[in-house]
This record gives sequence, structure tokens and C-alpha cells, in this order.
Amino acid sequence: NAGVTQTPKFQVLKTGQSMTLQCAQDMNHEYMSWYRQDPGMGLRLIHYSVGAGITDQGEVPNGYNVSRSTTEDFPLRLLSAAPSQTSVYFCASRGGLAGYNEQFFGPGTRLTVL
Amino acid sequence: SQQGEEDPQALSIQEGENATMNCSYKTSINNLQWYRQNSGRGLVHLILIRSNEREKHSGRLRVTLDTSKKSSSLLITASRAADTASYFCATAASGTYKYIFGTGTRLKVLA
Repeated sequence: NAGVTQTPKFQVLKTGQSMTLQCAQDMNHEYMSWYRQDPGMGLRLIHYSVGAGITDQGEVPNGYNVSRSTTEDFPLRLLSAAPSQTSVYFCASRGGLAGYNEQFFGPGTRLTVL
Repeated sequence: SQQGEEDPQALSIQEGENATMNCSYKTSINNLQWYRQNSGRGLVHLILIRSNEREKHSGRLRVTLDTSKKSSSLLITASRAADTASYFCATAASGTYKYIFGTGTRLKVLA
């Protein structure tokens, strides 16, 4: 199993540009989520999904869209990038919805918005 | 706002010493998880403790949970240089699916 994969690893955008961060998992996990990590802030939940076709907002959803058309994929879209979105983005997945399982994290995407 | 707050924010100890870090949270929870993050990498799950458990062990790790105080502690015994990392607690409020992370403790173990 590849686990949780994320692409790209690094990305530089200009203010106003849009892009999609890709996340995929091959463990057939129902739950997937996106976090951003800023220095000294820990991880903050952006959006999450409990299955194909079902998504919901986390702590900091503004400026981001998600969709879940398949169990495996959970892309994160930045609609109009802003310097405040400069961060490291992590995707995670978890088997089962009851919450008694560990989350598996991808390696992260380091995004810089100029 | 973040659900969990760890303290201390940073901790520096000598190899062989024990390291203790604490996590406080705000709402009723189903369980609490601890994760480790090596510099610039993704998080790795360490241990999960359910709300009806008070203590759990895994190797050199010992986790306690006090639901009346809404707090947890992680003890790493006989620390090694390889334990140098950031440690985070994560909780999901009862009845929700989403895990919220604390701000983390940066541990440095000096050889």
C-alpha cells in the first residue's frame, strides 16, 4: 500500500491564481481530511469528508473548496490564492467513522503564495 | 479556535531523562490521540486513549487521561535523541467526526 499520497510536494503561486492540491489513499478509508499547518499554530482542520459525496467544513474553510467523488481521492481547491494561504497542507485518512482509529497522514504540500 | 492546548510549548532535556507534556481540551470527547511530527514531515500516530480509560502504555510511552479536568499527559521514559520532534494531541468532540489538533510541544533531546 502506498498509504496517503499528496501532490505536488512544493508549489509557488501568485496572488489570485487558483490550483488544486491532490490527495489519494489506497486503504479504502471512509474518512478523509485536510489540515493546514502554520508555524506555531499546530494543525487546523480545513474540510473533511465521511464518504464519497459527503463533505463538511472544519475550523478554517474560507477560501477552499473540496469534493469527494470517489473513496480514494479528496482534492483541495484554492479558488483565488492569497498570501495568508501560505502554509504546509496535510491530507489524512482514517478507517471507520466512530473515531477509534488512527489517522494516516500524507507527506504534505508546501505552498507559498506571493 | 483550537480544541487542544499543549504545554509546555517547548521542552529540552538530556538523553535518558523522562519527558512529560500535557494537553488540555475544551469539550466532551470520545477519545484522545497523540501524534509525533519530525521536522518538516507528516504526523505519525503514537497512541489512542478512550474516554473511559485512565491510563495506557505503549513501549516507552505512558498516556493518562482525566476527563473531569479535560486534560491528558504524555510521558516518554528514558528519552533518546531520536525522540526529538513535535508532539500533538488530537481530540474529536463527542458526536462529531472531525479531529482537532492542539498547538504542540517541541521536544529536544540532547545527546
